[in-house]
Amino acid sequence: DTEVTQTPKHLVMGMTNKKSLKCEQHMGHRAMYWYKQKAKKPPELMFVYSYEKLSINESVPSRFSPECPNSSLLNLHLHALQPEDSALYLCASSRQGFAGANVLTFGAGSRLTVL
Amino acid sequence: KQEVTQIPAALSVPEGENLVLNCSFTDSAIYNLQWFRQDPGKGLTSLLLIQSSQREQTSGRLNASLDKSSGRSTLYIAASQPGDSATYLCAKVEYGNKLVFGAGTILRVKS
Repeated sequence: DTEVTQTPKHLVMGMTNKKSLKCEQHMGHRAMYWYKQKAKKPPELMFVYSYEKLSINESVPSRFSPECPNSSLLNLHLHALQPEDSALYLCASSRQGFAGANVLTFGAGSRLTVL
Repeated sequence: KQEVTQIPAALSVPEGENLVLNCSFTDSAIYNLQWFRQDPGKGLTSLLLIQSSQREQTSGRLNASLDKSSGRSTLYIAASQPGDSATYLCAKVEYGNKLVFGAGTILRVKS
């Protein structure tokens, strides 16, 4: 298995809803990432987990809450989002989370629309 | 401050042409440089990763070079095909495997 699987592919939610995005990989990678990509813009890093511990938080608002229950699974919990949070959310994984020849493998993304 | 810049922003070429995409970056203290391809509305596909100690990497019709001292990388695509049409992103890899992306080059190869 050489894939990163993200669910759901599409999500529409209201500003008062609570929802979650899920990311799974079975490549034995020990680093996992959330990136946010707005339309026609490059991806921007949100969070990095290394060995199931949060190692980087790029000053992301608390309405986004990451969780890494085990080395294969990464969740992003969403609550009280704003319409400007609508974007493509990309999950990625790599063999390790620190410097080295670590190619990132990206999932297909979850497209979020906040009404 | 634009840390990673890609030129051109868009490129349209006839099938069969060889082409070069450019990426420049500030701060030569990078670990690696990675090139990706993104199809519309899709995730990213890794094309090539060049370690900071390397000068180039090749995969099929793709060749990427890295010049840390000048802060530049180029992606060379030989004998372009319509299936190569996509957005090409370069990203400098910092400590913690943090990627900082350029805005991308939108490539269209006409048949």
